[in-house]
Amino acid sequence: DMKVTQMPRYLIKRMGENVLLECGQDMSHETMYWYRQDPGLGLQLIYISYDVDSNSEGDIPKGYRVSRKKREHFSLILDSAKTNQTSVYFCASSIGTANYAEQFFGPGTRLTVL
Amino acid sequence: GDSVTQTEGQVALSEEDFLTIHCNYSASGYPTLFWYVQYPGEGPQLLFRASRDKEKGSSRGFEATYDKGTTSFHLRKASVQESDSAVYYCALSDPGSGGSNYKLTFGKGTLLTVTP
Repeated sequence: DMKVTQMPRYLIKRMGENVLLECGQDMSHETMYWYRQDPGLGLQLIYISYDVDSNSEGDIPKGYRVSRKKREHFSLILDSAKTNQTSVYFCASSIGTANYAEQFFGPGTRLTVL
Repeated sequence: GDSVTQTEGQVALSEEDFLTIHCNYSASGYPTLFWYVQYPGEGPQLLFRASRDKEKGSSRGFEATYDKGTTSFHLRKASVQESDSAVYYCALSDPGSGGSNYKLTFGKGTLLTVTP
């Protein structure tokens, strides 16, 4: 059963706290992504990971970092969270590198930074 | 850079109405075009895609035709149902965008609301 999982699903943090969002996939996909989704802005790419320890900035990487030590896990880290990082975060994965590759999305994590 | 422009905001229809959501794109290369659908509480999922001019993608009664001349990939469905209520995203992946061919560029999304 092809699946992308995200933990936690809901998270409330105070400004200045560190945040760890975790993503897993059971499809052995090489490529994984982190997006954020905000009303009126759609999905914005934060980071891409091409494989273990091979990561690249997306369109809005400022304030975020990522870690990928195993192919099936991809973490998003917010060091000292800010209120403008309140959003819904989606992880996705895809097989291979072809531009027609389908991305499989997780269910999202709703993060609120107070 | 690449961009996708789609029908903004919300489209409100009644069951059995005809649906059109417009999508126009700008890309430096020859992109693959996608429609993704997002149901409440879930992540987006692929509806269908098309990679060549005049290619038609279709799924679940939805369809769109890749038109390179007008740089468009409009989503259509002849008769919508309440269960089609969701957010629809047009997206592209462009191999000519300086090596970022793993990246999807999304439109801002269109919320479809269908009432019985």
